[in-house]
Amino acid sequence: GQQLNQSPQSMFIQEGEDVSMNCTSSSIFNTWLWYKQDPGEGPVLLIALYKAGELTSNGRLTAQFGITRKDSFLNISASIPSDVGIYFCAGPRGSQGNLIFGKGTKLSVKP
Amino acid sequence: GAVVSQHPSWVICKSGTSVKIECRSLDFQATTMFWYRQFPKQSLMLMATSNEGSKATYEQGVEKDKFLINHASLTLSTLTVTSAHPEDSSFYICSARDLGKLPQHFGDGTRLSIL
Repeated sequence: GQQLNQSPQSMFIQEGEDVSMNCTSSSIFNTWLWYKQDPGEGPVLLIALYKAGELTSNGRLTAQFGITRKDSFLNISASIPSDVGIYFCAGPRGSQGNLIFGKGTKLSVKP
Repeated sequence: GAVVSQHPSWVICKSGTSVKIECRSLDFQATTMFWYRQFPKQSLMLMATSNEGSKATYEQGVEKDKFLINHASLTLSTLTVTSAHPEDSSFYICSARDLGKLPQHFGDGTRLSIL
């Protein structure tokens, strides 16, 4: 079945550094979504990508929809302590918009 | 922005108790709501898709008699964990889609602990 492979699993960075994480799939997706989850809370949508090649920014976050439609990356520039959390990529599966999620990238930022 | 409210946020109860969790879309109508379960340090796993006015669609391996879902209105879906046991302890999260839009918006989750 469809799977999303997300890497890296975890990252430990210094405040101010840039971060990059990516998500790949063996099958094509027509939409890529990036969510962030803080401990004990539900995921919050960061960026939605709908078109192959699309590059979209949300503040310090930038995400791109790969032209093969099998991958996406998320970049965070000039990281700050509140960027700490788990970042998930997700893509729709099925006609009702069911999502499958990557396993997440846990980001730790050292002040 | 789209807001999804989930209640309660935390439940601790004895084994054998049934627990109801509510999921409400506050500022939009959601014909479809989704229920996920998340174990510690793991990703979200879809349990079922809840459609307003019809029966829920359950993922393989999820017992429909164990996890009762009711989606009686365009703004409310409920998940009832019947006769809960310690292995049902988990973080349950709902999400909802605005009509005709793709991104799901998530509630803040319910931490269920069965003693």
